[in-house]
Amino acid sequence: DVVMTQTPLSLSVTPGQPASISCKSSQSLQNTDGKTYLYWYLQRPGQPPQLLIYEGSNRFSGVPDRFSGSGSGTDYTLKISRVEAEDVGVYYCMQTPHLPITFGQGTRVEIE
Amino acid sequence: QVQLQQSGPGLVKPSQTLSLTCAISGDSVSNNRASWNWIRQSPSRGLEWLGRTYYRSQWYKDYAVSVKSRITINADTSKNEFSLQLNSVTPDDTAVYYCVRDGHWGPWGQGTRVSVSS
Repeated sequence: DVVMTQTPLSLSVTPGQPASISCKSSQSLQNTDGKTYLYWYLQRPGQPPQLLIYEGSNRFSGVPDRFSGSGSGTDYTLKISRVEAEDVGVYYCMQTPHLPITFGQGTRVEIE
Repeated sequence: QVQLQQSGPGLVKPSQTLSLTCAISGDSVSNNRASWNWIRQSPSRGLEWLGRTYYRSQWYKDYAVSVKSRITINADTSKNEFSLQLNSVTPDDTAVYYCVRDGHWGPWGQGTRVSVSS
């Protein structure tokens, strides 16, 4: 199975400051079609994971532009340019080109 | 945008069968460019992909090794929905279960909290 390793596991951020989460995969997530099948989610308590970024760097509909995704091969990053109070929760990365589909352990983001 | 509505019981007895349904709107379960997935989440296992079904001139299914002997995912084209059956459940199957379509991989179904308890 492809192992997805997120760092850090928790993050405390001052509102207005940037934040960055890393996700490393044990195998490349770039498919033969040239796309990168890496996804980022935010899960708030009691809710399903909410899609933020698909295919490595594409913001999903309605996602604020303070969220951005980047990376290639086995190394990926989610960046929040200016953290807001509503960004608290647990962030997950997910890979889909290799079955079984696997997830990172999650990064808990709190506001200072 | 596809929307997924889950239904099914929240309590299942040990050794019995867990059955959940995911109703699709905004897409077709027979879409030959989509796959329809079940994922569960528990404190002990985190997020765990269970399996998928998809149509490419015929129906295909893939399952996670951890549940392969106990799981069935079916599609019902007349109702435009797909389902999850997990046999011989134990308390270790207690989790929140989600359905989701591939592609953008979002939005997910609202989740069903299933407890396995006598």
